Amino acid sequence: ETAVFQTPNYHVTQVGNEVSFNCKQTLGHDTMYWYKQDSKKLLKIMFSYNNKQLIVNETVPRRFSPQSSDKAHLNLRIKSVEPEDSAVYLCASSPNGQNYAEQFFGPGTRLTVL
Amino acid sequence: AQKVTQTQTSISVMEKTTVTMDCVYETQDSSYFLFWYKQTASGEIVFLIRQDSYKKENATVGHYSLNFQKPKSSIGLIITATQIEDSAVYFCAMREGRNYAQGLTFGLGTRVSVFP
Repeated sequence: ETAVFQTPNYHVTQVGNEVSFNCKQTLGHDTMYWYKQDSKKLLKIMFSYNNKQLIVNETVPRRFSPQSSDKAHLNLRIKSVEPEDSAVYLCASSPNGQNYAEQFFGPGTRLTVL
Repeated sequence: AQKVTQTQTSISVMEKTTVTMDCVYETQDSSYFLFWYKQTASGEIVFLIRQDSYKKENATVGHYSLNFQKPKSSIGLIITATQIEDSAVYFCAMREGRNYAQGLTFGLGTRVSVFP
């Protein structure tokens, strides 16, 4: 099966803790993304990662950092979570060099910060 | 800066009818790509259809079609012969053509409810 996979599905944690979410795609794509979907359903790009080039949305706080071991994996680490980080985090991928190509999304990781 | 606006928060329709959703966008780029995605109740986000800015013809895929009005910076989605399973939140999104690694800019979505 080729798709975008994310773990865990849900995560509940306390303020100040560190969390890490995993994303793997088996579509053979070269570009991966992290999006945040807030409680109002707004989807906002956080990071794009392509051939070790990282594009960061300037509004993303520094406690967020993407981590990639290879082009099929892009994890997201949050160093010290805050209540406003509660959201659904969605990973996506798209083929390299095709700026018209759609992005394929994973099922998301729902983070709740208490 | 890019911006995508969907003004309709929710729409209710009867099954087998046609529903139309609006989307307007802002960009400084002469080349851009417009997408429609659907988010189901389970949270799954599915790509539906795309319009390239340089194409004059409206894109059509299955029972989805677009109404692209470039002078108005508008890209409406039309779903014909709606089915119960079309009930979802529909997102309009845009990417400028300069950088293929650029993420999508999304609108706030329109919730469509299809009733029997």
